[in-house]
Amino acid sequence: NAGVTQTPKFRVLKTGQSMTLLCAQDMNHEYMYWYRQDPGMGLRLIHYSVGEGTTAKGEVPDGYNVSRLKKQNFLLGLESAAPSQTSVYFCASSYEAGQGYTGELFFGEGSRLTVL
Amino acid sequence: SQQGEEDPQALSIQEGENATMNCSYKTSINNLQWYRQNSGRGLVHLILIRSNEREKHSGRLRVTLDTSKKSSSLLITASRAADTASYFCATDLLQDDKIIFGKGTRLHILP
Repeated sequence: NAGVTQTPKFRVLKTGQSMTLLCAQDMNHEYMYWYRQDPGMGLRLIHYSVGEGTTAKGEVPDGYNVSRLKKQNFLLGLESAAPSQTSVYFCASSYEAGQGYTGELFFGEGSRLTVL
Repeated sequence: SQQGEEDPQALSIQEGENATMNCSYKTSINNLQWYRQNSGRGLVHLILIRSNEREKHSGRLRVTLDTSKKSSSLLITASRAADTASYFCATDLLQDDKIIFGKGTRLHILP
């Protein structure tokens, strides 16, 4: 049982390049989230999705786009990477709270992105 | 500023002692969750407490929630070296489906 899988795990980009991070979950979760983690800042929510075909902005959405074309996948895109986007990115998924579920998050192992 | 704020930022205690960390938040919540992160790894869910609950236990963990003060505490009893990690509180906001994290408490258990 893979759980939440993030690809790639490491990536180095030059300023202005674009890239996409892929998050895949095999738990049939409705909700999916993208966070970034920077030293001393904890985790900050970038975008999230409450179901296939839906996305919403989090705390720090600027410079990122997301898509949820399939229920099991949540893609995070950087259109024109900037050094300020150097970070560790975490994807998480959960059931919708209710119907016996608590809404706890299941996390991937993270994707470390460096923008030069 | 962030919804959740943990206190203290860092805590060092002797093995066998109890560790207490606190979380304060700003807006109404559905539930509050605590997570643990070992260095370089993803976060792992520890315990969830709903807004209508005041206290919850899970093994060596005890969580309290005071919605009037918008605060929660996590107590780890009889600490072990393996408890060394960062601990985060996360609030499931009532107004929407966001789950917002605090900055975390770094816990170090001394042998």
